[in-house]
Amino acid sequence: SQTIHQWPATLVQPVGSPLSLECTVEGTSNPNLYWYRQAAGRGLQLLFYSVGIGQISSEVPQNLSASRPQDRQFILSSKKLLLSDSGFYLCAWSYREEGEQFFGPGTRLTVL
Amino acid sequence: GEDVEQSLFLSVREGDSSVINCTYTDSSSTYLYWYKQEPGAGLQLLTYIFSNMDMKQDQRLTVLLNKKDKHLSLRIADTQTGDSAIYFCAEKYSGAGSYQLTFGKGTKLSVIP
Repeated sequence: SQTIHQWPATLVQPVGSPLSLECTVEGTSNPNLYWYRQAAGRGLQLLFYSVGIGQISSEVPQNLSASRPQDRQFILSSKKLLLSDSGFYLCAWSYREEGEQFFGPGTRLTVL
Repeated sequence: GEDVEQSLFLSVREGDSSVINCTYTDSSSTYLYWYKQEPGAGLQLLTYIFSNMDMKQDQRLTVLLNKKDKHLSLRIADTQTGDSAIYFCAEKYSGAGSYQLTFGKGTKLSVIP
């Protein structure tokens, strides 16, 4: 069966510090991968998606970036965090030709 | 562009039925989804409906689709306290090179014992 992991589960970082969140998928190959942010009281905002290794599409311009160094690994990064980067970050995967997405447990990021 | 609207809050008594409503804009959507998010957790796919269906039932869950009005609803029969969560409606659309989902802002369901 397929599983999706996110690390870490929670993170508290000072403004201006770097960020690296990791997402890994097991049990499937060539998945589409997605990063979403869920701010308090708001819905899901798609940040990045990837259809293959090294292929990243950005939906919202910001100080975040994403990378896909391996087929089942998706990383969300920032060089300098802003207060507005606080939120709940969710990684998801889907089969290539399907729309249904499967979500990880999320990372709660607090920027102070 | 694609847009999905939901009411933000719903409160029901335990044992009653809950009905969560959603409207969407993309008439070419082929699939529509309902996800459940419990506090501090990721989203869990509850059910989905194909656009050529009017209704889908799965145990206590009933999904109704009115394609003409672009209206989707999720009915939870015999609502329990464990059903308290945020429910997201989502529609599938074809983006650049892949399929995407557009999510509503979520409806927070509170079940009163």
